[in-house]
Amino acid sequence: GAGVSQSPSNKVTEKGKDVELRCDPISGHTALYWYRQRLGQGLEFLIYFQGNSAPDKSGLPSDRFSAERTGESVSTLTIQRTQQEDSAVYLCASSLIAGDAGNTIYFGEGSWLTVV
Amino acid sequence: AQSVTQPDIHITVSEGASLELRCNYSYGATPYLFWYVQSPGQGLQLLLKYFSGDTLVQGIKGFEAEFKRSQSSFNLRKPSVHWSDAAEYFCAFLDTGRRALTFGSGTRLQVQP
Repeated sequence: GAGVSQSPSNKVTEKGKDVELRCDPISGHTALYWYRQRLGQGLEFLIYFQGNSAPDKSGLPSDRFSAERTGESVSTLTIQRTQQEDSAVYLCASSLIAGDAGNTIYFGEGSWLTVV
Repeated sequence: AQSVTQPDIHITVSEGASLELRCNYSYGATPYLFWYVQSPGQGLQLLLKYFSGDTLVQGIKGFEAEFKRSQSSFNLRKPSVHWSDAAEYFCAFLDTGRRALTFGSGTRLQVQP
């Protein structure tokens, strides 16, 4: 696609429910990143994929968070048993190769999650 | 620890005035540094980046930034601000160990007519 696409753009869910957030990276980009941005705060790195592998999952806030990527394309971020503190914008980004400063990292518009 | 710091949470300037947004870094080697802009309801857009060579970097939308090793700074500048520049600006560095960008806390720019 032309850019990084995320869905849903907005999601309101009840506390305790599970949510899935989807990211469709730019075609041909082997690296994919997930960030979280709480209201009025900076971006918090969650996880990255190089291909379908996520070498470092230590940025995930808790074991309620998981992410997967298939076919070196679409990625899903899943939050189980959502809590109010999970309310944030979840941003996805992609680049040609992870960790290469010469490659621009492109961001999607984010998925706004509100837990009530 | 490696980090970037944006000391100013919120800045207000008049349209047409010059702008400088501060970014300080803490990094063992020469960092790869970036400035991104986030406009309301939009994703982050790369303004410019530095990783070697000329310390004065030109970006899009008339922005520039200067890498100063002696001051551990990478400040963003624009000679004349437009109302459309009102947005949140983030400084970031590439954490080569984590292979991802680490962002500062951001500076919100407000432009007065």
